[in-house]
Amino acid sequence: QKEVEQDPGPLSVPEGAIVSLNCTYSNSAFQYFMWYRQYSRKGPELLMYTYSSGNKEDGRFTAQVDKSSKYISLFIRDSQPSDSATYLCAMRGGGNKLTFGTGTQLKVEL
Amino acid sequence: DTGVSQDPRHKITKRGQNVTFRCDPISEHNRLYWYRQTLGQGPEFLTYFQNEAQLEKSRLLSDRFSAERPKGSFSTLEIQRTEQGDSAMYLCASSSLGGLPQETQYFGPGTRLLVL
Repeated sequence: QKEVEQDPGPLSVPEGAIVSLNCTYSNSAFQYFMWYRQYSRKGPELLMYTYSSGNKEDGRFTAQVDKSSKYISLFIRDSQPSDSATYLCAMRGGGNKLTFGTGTQLKVEL
Repeated sequence: DTGVSQDPRHKITKRGQNVTFRCDPISEHNRLYWYRQTLGQGPEFLTYFQNEAQLEKSRLLSDRFSAERPKGSFSTLEIQRTEQGDSAMYLCASSSLGGLPQETQYFGPGTRLLVL
């Protein structure tokens, strides 16, 4: 069993929809949680960072962490075609290496 | 551009050849990381440096792989006697010790390796 599980999709939504992306994890040592966006053939780009349970909002993006359930989510409001990408959850404990999910491929259609 | 840069962006080689990749981190960052990403998967940690010291290596880093960061600035990743299973995107990231938020890692564009 992988330490981080993420549905690979693909997920296809119409423009303007609310998108929900999720990851579950098994390692209780994970303390810091991130969402990266990766366009095709590019490096991951940091979108959101959080380290406590609860919600964190940044523009159209909201990151949610539930440490008791070992579950994190990313919500995208008013989705745009430019949001079409692969979304990677990543997490780490007290060390330095990041552990990633497999990524969810999102397509926002006109 | 002050982001992480990697060179080359693409490399095609024949099985058995050696290849070397270079990463230039964000200038004030003292931590540098290498990850490998295969198709349909998330990046997997390979190794990281703090300044010139290599502090952690994944078991994924077989003895055919070697990484260096000789002066605590740029880093190189060498793969000897390449195998077809080495075909992947090799990503470099950097962070600042004590940086906020919590030493966020910033990634470069990656080097895509294809071993024929």
